[in-house]
Amino acid sequence: QKEVEQDPGPLSVPEGAIVSLNCTYSNSAFQYFMWYRQYSRKGPELLMYTYSSGNKEDGRFTAQVDKSSKYISLFIRDSQPSDSATYLCAMSATGGGNKLTFGTGTQLKVEL
Amino acid sequence: DGGITQSPKYLFRKEGQNVTLSCEQNLNHDAMYWYRQDPGQGLRLIYYSQIVNDFQKGDIAEGYSVSREKKESFPLTVTSAQKNPTAFYLCASSTDSLFATNEKLFFGSGTQLSVL
Repeated sequence: QKEVEQDPGPLSVPEGAIVSLNCTYSNSAFQYFMWYRQYSRKGPELLMYTYSSGNKEDGRFTAQVDKSSKYISLFIRDSQPSDSATYLCAMSATGGGNKLTFGTGTQLKVEL
Repeated sequence: DGGITQSPKYLFRKEGQNVTLSCEQNLNHDAMYWYRQDPGQGLRLIYYSQIVNDFQKGDIAEGYSVSREKKESFPLTVTSAQKNPTAFYLCASSTDSLFATNEKLFFGSGTQLSVL
């Protein structure tokens, strides 16, 4: 079993929909949680960063961490075609760029 | 503009050949990383460097080599010992150092390596 599980999709939604992307994990020591967005054949870019549990909101994006369930989510409100990309979750226990464990990514397509 | 530049964008390797992927950053970051991305798999760490003239193996270092002679540069060589080199290679940097850690990575645009 992988340490981090993420549904690969593809997930197809109409423009304006609320999108929910999720990752589950098995390592209870994880306390740093990130979401990256990756356009096709490009490098990932950091979207959201959360330490420990709780919610964090940034514009149309909300990141949620439920450590009791070992489950993290990224919500996208009023989705746009420009949101079409692969979304990667990443997490670590002790911090440091060399300690990150990435999910496989969920491909999202927002259609007009 | 500050950022990370990877070159070339596409690279082809013949059997038995070593190839080198370039990574340059002007973010003044201490730490640099090389990841490999394969379809259906998460990013896997090949090598990382927290300071000039020092680097550490990641999870899948076999068949790869790196150098860190300058803060700005962290080239990756894919050697002939790497039997399955076809993948998308990503370079990243962060303000992580030997004295402080930071898990927020900034990535380059990647290099697609294919075998002829």
